[in-house]
Amino acid sequence: EDQVTQSPEALRLQEGESSSLNCSYTVSGLRGLFWYRQDPGKGPEFLFTLYSAGEEKEKERLKATLTKKESFLHITAPKPEDSATYLCAVLGSSNTGKLIFGQGTTLQVKP
Amino acid sequence: GAGVSQSPSNKVTEKGKDVELRCDPISGHTALYWYRQSLGQGLEFLIYFQGNSAPDKSGLPSDRFSAERTGGSVSTLTIQRTQQEDSAVYLCASSLAGLGEKLFFGSGTQLSVL
Repeated sequence: EDQVTQSPEALRLQEGESSSLNCSYTVSGLRGLFWYRQDPGKGPEFLFTLYSAGEEKEKERLKATLTKKESFLHITAPKPEDSATYLCAVLGSSNTGKLIFGQGTTLQVKP
Repeated sequence: GAGVSQSPSNKVTEKGKDVELRCDPISGHTALYWYRQSLGQGLEFLIYFQGNSAPDKSGLPSDRFSAERTGGSVSTLTIQRTQQEDSAVYLCASSLAGLGEKLFFGSGTQLSVL
């Protein structure tokens, strides 16, 4: 059974204090690993898709990396507006395109 | 429309009543998904539509839950005889073809069962 575990559950940072969020996964036949951002009261918003180990993608202060067992979302010099819940999801061998999500990491960045 | 639209945004009901939640996906998207998010939890898959067919209903928690999609567009999720444990945010998402491309989510319906 495909599984995704995210850590930590919550993370509090000072503005400018860099850190990383972890996403560990177990999946039969990884076809893609997705990162989403979710703000309170809203649906998840797509950030990145990674397809193979060694791949990296960047967007502003965010950088996502992928190994065969886990993915990291690195946040460099975060700002208060980066505060949100970050969700990791995997696409396995299912031919429906459905994503299996982790529990999320809630990030709070204080000014 | 410009994005995935869900209605109502909030629904309060009494235990034992039936509720209907509506999702209007992005125009032209053939794949549609329903997820459920309980407080502080991740997203739980419920059902997947490709066009008007539902080839994957594996996430529906009981036979009180059903969904349909008409005209390859609007979908309705129905919960019969609601229970308190049904309280959650119900999220709808669509994608172009259901082949593993990114999902676009609506803002969800917050369901509260008293």
